[in-house]
Amino acid sequence: GENVEQHPSTLSVQEGDSAVIKCTYSDSASNYFPWYKQELGKRPQLIIDIRSNVGEKKDQRIAVTLNKTAKHFSLHITETQPEDSAVYFCAASKETTDSWGKLQFGAGTQVVVTP
Amino acid sequence: GAVVSQHPSRVICKSGTSVKIECRSLDFQATTMFWYRQFPKQSLMLMATSNEGSKATYEQGVEKDKFLINHASLTLSTLTVTSAHPEDSSFYICSASIFREAFFGQGTRLTVV
Repeated sequence: GENVEQHPSTLSVQEGDSAVIKCTYSDSASNYFPWYKQELGKRPQLIIDIRSNVGEKKDQRIAVTLNKTAKHFSLHITETQPEDSAVYFCAASKETTDSWGKLQFGAGTQVVVTP
Repeated sequence: GAVVSQHPSRVICKSGTSVKIECRSLDFQATTMFWYRQFPKQSLMLMATSNEGSKATYEQGVEKDKFLINHASLTLSTLTVTSAHPEDSSFYICSASIFREAFFGQGTRLTVV
């Protein structure tokens, strides 16, 4: 089955700096890669996603890059703000009839943005 | 976006009893829903795929007789933790997908005492 590895486990940044989180996946058939932000005790919130037909996607201060050959994808947050502090999870999925929406998550990254 | 609702949000039960958690898609139909479990400071681990009108599919290592899943309608899946033990204490989250995006319930914090 799919195995998703995520690094680092914790990331401390100064407000205004950039944060980068990296994930690798094992199943070359995976073709959907979402990123979630989760605050303590709350549900995961989708912040950005990318599909395997695209190499990069950007939404304001957040961007995701995908390298299908190397089977890794990364989350980039620029101009970090204290409200960006949370746990971030990457995930991988195969968009097929049988498994659409079935996600394998990375271990998570605790991001702390210091004012 | 679409809304997935879970109930209850918190439950405390005695060891040996059973607890039922409901997951509803409020504004769309979902033939498939997913159940995840999250221990403190850990990731979401997929437990099972809930299929409307048929048996659930469980991930390796998840006891199907302990975690009973019923998906009797297109908007409701239930997870019953049977004979709960303290080690079953966790955060249980369901999800359903529409428009190529997964939507999560708010989660259920289960504490077994």
